[in-house]
Amino acid sequence: KAGVTQTPRYLIKTRGQQVTLSCSPISGHRSVSWYQQTPGQGLQFLFEYFSETQRNKGNFPGRFSGRQFSNSRSEMNVSTLELGDSALYLCASSYGQGLDEQYFGPGTRLTVT
Amino acid sequence: DQQVKQNSPSLSVQEGRISILNCDYTNSMFDYFLWYKKYPAEGPTFLISISSIKDKNEDGRFTVFLNKSAKHLSLHIVPSQPGDSAVYFCAASARNYGQNFVFGPGTRLSVLP
Repeated sequence: KAGVTQTPRYLIKTRGQQVTLSCSPISGHRSVSWYQQTPGQGLQFLFEYFSETQRNKGNFPGRFSGRQFSNSRSEMNVSTLELGDSALYLCASSYGQGLDEQYFGPGTRLTVT
Repeated sequence: DQQVKQNSPSLSVQEGRISILNCDYTNSMFDYFLWYKKYPAEGPTFLISISSIKDKNEDGRFTVFLNKSAKHLSLHIVPSQPGDSAVYFCAASARNYGQNFVFGPGTRLSVLP
């Protein structure tokens, strides 16, 4: 079974721009969660989508948004980028029924200059 | 305030010996816990999970112990192998929180040949 894929793997943007990251979950998984990983803050939960609906949301500003498509693929968008948004963005998929383990993609390394 | 803590940023162990990684949590609502391993430039890889109805779960060389009264869990790796050298994260969630997992800051394990 193919794993979770994320594109692009690396991205460089300037302050004020916006960015869209993509995640394709493992086949059959309906839940996709997004995390931000920074050296100082560790892994922080952004939001989770299940069946095209945002089911959970972390404590991030409204500049961070996402969506999920009918094939469970998900995109995350960050608008008006700030230097502090530089991080590794990880997506994880799971079946999403109750609590079950999440499987992570390799991440997208975003650098904001 | 960190809800999931891994107080040892790093740990070195001799090959063949036992590695014990610790994790403490503060939120008594947490009832499902996972351990992940992360290599550089890769996303976290799921290792083992435990729900609060158990106090031990084993999978090959990996065993997780949960002490609910102390709000403490530990991951034992026996015997440790050089390929186990990675950063280990513990993560916690609750049935009410869905797939919103709170991650600890990680412990870097080095297994010395």
